[in-house]
Amino acid sequence: QQPVQSPQAVILREGEDAVINCSSSKALYSVHWYRQKHGEAPVFLMILLKGGEQKGHEKISASFNEKKQQSSLYLTASQLSYSGTYFCGTERVNSGYALNFGKGTSLLVTP
Amino acid sequence: KAGVTQTPRYLIKTRGQQVTLSCSPISGHRSVSWYQQTPGQGLQFLFEYFSETQRNKGNFPGRFSGRQFSNSRSEMNVSTLELGDSALYLCASSLGSSGEQFFGPGTRLTVL
Repeated sequence: QQPVQSPQAVILREGEDAVINCSSSKALYSVHWYRQKHGEAPVFLMILLKGGEQKGHEKISASFNEKKQQSSLYLTASQLSYSGTYFCGTERVNSGYALNFGKGTSLLVTP
Repeated sequence: KAGVTQTPRYLIKTRGQQVTLSCSPISGHRSVSWYQQTPGQGLQFLFEYFSETQRNKGNFPGRFSGRQFSNSRSEMNVSTLELGDSALYLCASSLGSSGEQFFGPGTRLTVL
């Protein structure tokens, strides 16, 4: 069951904020966020476990609403280096260790 | 600490052939997951191995199989290749369940 990400693509000017959403129809145990730059492998950003806690570092943070099975990634004061495709990966409750990724959100930050 | 390595990096095959891809995880990592990445579908989960046991499998036909060796290195095999199997195949390793995954550079498979 692939989670649904929105928006599919977003273009920002440097310094602007963005929110990327990820939702699942199944009960989730955890949500992972990764960023992939063109021609490179995905790189881990953060994990959120069920419990609704918000995590983050510097200007990238995320939340997980366990009741709604939704997670959001917040990018504030975007930098050029934030450009890339963001993927959420979800691990369902009692499904064993299987990370199902969404189709990704393409983010482009312009000067 | 060496990262995840995948070999080969590029492969060109013809329909009907079979292919084996290899993944060496980060030292100490016992979990290896495989993903197929295509422009339209994003990252799709193939299977995950932990200590030589397949713990989970994605929604792919039986032509896709894998295994893990005692040193945690993993291989995936695709038999009777189809044009639609053309994709970037990524493997990722982690220490265990629900942990951060470290991705390898991938193997680009082209089926002609």
